[in-house]
Amino acid sequence: QKEVEQNSGPLSVPEGAIASLNCTYSDRGSQSFFWYRQYSGKSPELIMSIYSNGDKEDGRFTAQLNKASQYVSLLIRDSQPSDSATYLCAVNKHTDKLIFGTGTRLQVFP
Amino acid sequence: DAGVIQSPRHEVTEMGQEVTLRCKPISGHDYLFWYRQTMMRGLELLIYFNNNVPIDDSGMPEDRFSAKMPNASFSTLKIQPSEPRDSAVYFCASSFDRGTGYTFGSGTRLTVV
Repeated sequence: QKEVEQNSGPLSVPEGAIASLNCTYSDRGSQSFFWYRQYSGKSPELIMSIYSNGDKEDGRFTAQLNKASQYVSLLIRDSQPSDSATYLCAVNKHTDKLIFGTGTRLQVFP
Repeated sequence: DAGVIQSPRHEVTEMGQEVTLRCKPISGHDYLFWYRQTMMRGLELLIYFNNNVPIDDSGMPEDRFSAKMPNASFSTLKIQPSEPRDSAVYFCASSFDRGTGYTFGSGTRLTVV
């Protein structure tokens, strides 16, 4: 079992819709959770962090964390073609390092 | 803030040659990470430093790989000798504290022919 798992996609959604990206992790002791966006040929960019159960909203983005079920999700409201990218989930355990999933490719079509 | 700075952006080298990748972290960030990204394996952590000291190099694939951080503002990742399977994008990232998100550099795309 991978430490951090994501569906590779692509996830295709129409412009204006809600995109829902999911991530599961194996270590119940994980403490910090992050979502990165990576455009093709570019470096990962941190877009959301979440540390406690529940929802965290930032603009069109909402991160959701459920530690009991060991999953974290990212919702993108009013999806735009410019949101088309690969979204990486990253998890921090009791250490200094982040473990990344392999990413979900999102395609938003006009 | 100039962000994390990596050089070169692209490197093409012949098999057997030595390759040196460079990274300047964000000032004040105590942690520096070297990652490798490929289509097949995604982002893999190679090594990381805390306050210039290597903490975990368990991700370094072979003895051909080495990394140093002589001071707080500079780190190198060296591959000697290079092999075609080392072709990947190498990212450097830094963070100011454990458990916080990283800031990535622009990466070095390495091609070994």
